[in-house]
Amino acid sequence: EAGVTQFPSHSVIEKGQTVTLRCDPISGHDNLYWYRRVMGKEIKFLLHFVKESKQDESGMPNNRFLAERTGGTYSTLKVQPAELEDSGVYFCASSQEGRQGLYEQYFGPGTRLTVT
Amino acid sequence: GENVEQHPSTLSVQEGDSAVIKCTYSDSASNYFPWYKQELGKGPQLIIDIRSNVGEKKDQRIAVTLNKTAKHFSLHITETQPEDSAVYFCAASSYSSASKIIFGSGTRLSIRP
Repeated sequence: EAGVTQFPSHSVIEKGQTVTLRCDPISGHDNLYWYRRVMGKEIKFLLHFVKESKQDESGMPNNRFLAERTGGTYSTLKVQPAELEDSGVYFCASSQEGRQGLYEQYFGPGTRLTVT
Repeated sequence: GENVEQHPSTLSVQEGDSAVIKCTYSDSASNYFPWYKQELGKGPQLIIDIRSNVGEKKDQRIAVTLNKTAKHFSLHITETQPEDSAVYFCAASSYSSASKIIFGSGTRLSIRP
């Protein structure tokens, strides 16, 4: 079974440019999450999709970030325009109810975003 | 708001010795505490978890303890090996819902040969 995949693995852009990150969850997982780790700090929650609907977007930092999950499969996270403080590693995770009602989240390898 | 504190931020132990990482959480509603290991170039990988109705759980060389009253939980790795070198994250969540995970700031564990 393929795990969570993310593309690209690394992106370097200039301040003011636009970047789109992509996440493909594990097949059949309705729940998809975006997290990010900035400057060696904790991994912080950004938002949660259930299928194509945004369940919780309380962690989105501002309106320069736009996440979509059309059709309830893969998801994109667009940053427009990018700022220096957006640099970090963006993780995607997916989950589905498993045994004993446990929603284990499986993480992708992350996209390292560098804004110069 | 919800918060998870993790200590230490870096830890270096001699191969074969034990390593202990400690965390505290603030949200009384949290009832699920996963631990993740992140190796270079990879995403966080679940290594062990514990629920609030259990005080201790062990899986080979790894054990986790939970003190729900004090809101403390910790990870113990015994007989450490070079492959244990990684960044470890504690976290808190709710196991009965597909809710977000609140992570600690991470501990970089280095095993000295």
